[in-house]
Amino acid sequence: DADVTQTPRNRITKTGKRIMLECSQTKGHDRMYWYRQDPGLGLRLIYYSFDVKDINKGEISDGYSVSRQAQAKFSLSLESAIPNQTALYFCATTASGTDTQYFGPGTRLTVL
Amino acid sequence: QKEVEQDPGPLSVPEGAIVSLNCTYSNSAFQYFMWYRQYSRKGPELLMYTYSSGNKEDGRFTAQVDKSSKYISLFIRDSQPSDSATYLCAMMDSSYKLIFGSGTRLLVRP
Repeated sequence: DADVTQTPRNRITKTGKRIMLECSQTKGHDRMYWYRQDPGLGLRLIYYSFDVKDINKGEISDGYSVSRQAQAKFSLSLESAIPNQTALYFCATTASGTDTQYFGPGTRLTVL
Repeated sequence: QKEVEQDPGPLSVPEGAIVSLNCTYSNSAFQYFMWYRQYSRKGPELLMYTYSSGNKEDGRFTAQVDKSSKYISLFIRDSQPSDSATYLCAMMDSSYKLIFGSGTRLLVRP
């Protein structure tokens, strides 16, 4: 079984819709991250959380919000989706005091 | 200027070739250097990790860091078709945030 799962794996939506992407992990890690990946731009950090009560903006947080519902769950929301948010979204986790990030399989989001 | 620069490729080599992948960076605060491998339709997975200048070897893979030149490399010996993937360099400072390069696509031809 995968340690980091993301749902949905694929989503097509329309401009203006609210979308939530969910991430769950069974590794017991306290730190969780959301990235987006675009061709030629690599992975860029959207938000990160070092524990349940800690939320921090990353490099490209505008247009996104997050919720850390539990240590194992970290969701990303697009309040009003726009076409340039079409991308591959990855969740990652790491344990405090370590540097290795474990990634989920990704969610491919298309905003029409 | 991006903090981390990486040639996007694609890089196409014959099976058995030695592959060299490189990244340059501008932030002197980076302390940890990593290489991730990403297969198509999968999330990145950690391949190599180092925090000091010099070489680190793991099987067919060697990671090299030159902090004075702000340059890191990944060498793959005896490359195999199964090595075909996108390779992402990543760097971290004391804030534990990873900064990724854009990735290099590698194709190893049988």
